[in-house]
Amino acid sequence: GAGVSQSPSNKVTEKGKDVELRCDPISGHTALYWYRQSLGQGLEFLIYFQGNSAPDKSGLPSDRFSAERTGGSVSTLTIQRTQQEDSAVYLCASSPARVGGTFGSGTRLTIV
Amino acid sequence: RKEVEQDPGPFNVPEGATVAFNCTYSNSASQSFFWYRQDCRKEPKLLMSVYSSGNEDGRFTAQLNRASQYISLLIRDSKLSDSATYLCVVPHGSSNTGKLIFGQGTTLQVKP
Repeated sequence: GAGVSQSPSNKVTEKGKDVELRCDPISGHTALYWYRQSLGQGLEFLIYFQGNSAPDKSGLPSDRFSAERTGGSVSTLTIQRTQQEDSAVYLCASSPARVGGTFGSGTRLTIV
Repeated sequence: RKEVEQDPGPFNVPEGATVAFNCTYSNSASQSFFWYRQDCRKEPKLLMSVYSSGNEDGRFTAQLNRASQYISLLIRDSKLSDSATYLCVVPHGSSNTGKLIFGQGTTLQVKP
């Protein structure tokens, strides 16, 4: 596609449920990033995939968070047993190596 | 020291003014730098890349000072549409791979 696509655009879920967020990067981009942004706050790094290298998971806030990238393309971010503090906009970006990334429009996650 | 630091502002300037933001970074090995623009409730969008001493694009000029480890963004002849948050981005590490670290952003408000 022309840009980075994220789905769903909005997700409301009950506390304790699991959620899965999807990111379709720009075709051919080797790098893929997940960030989250709470209202009025900066971007918090979560995880970074680069080609076939082991992902940099140093930003994942707890073991309830996991992400995978299948076939070097689509990525899913999974949050298990969601908590209210997980409410945020989850942003995905992709880029060719070492070039500024292009962001998707994000998934707004609300835990009730 | 944070990896990337920015003055959050807000910077309130009249139309037509020239305004400059600074961003300091801690990783002396970083080779490339980026400025992003983020409008309210939107995803960040790449504004400029800086790979050597600086870059100019119309009314926007980015400067890099490696000795002092800061980059700046200068906006000339400010427009109302320049009102946004400007994010400084520095890659982690020096290799051709690595996560992008975002500053907290500097908010600009251009007034009529």
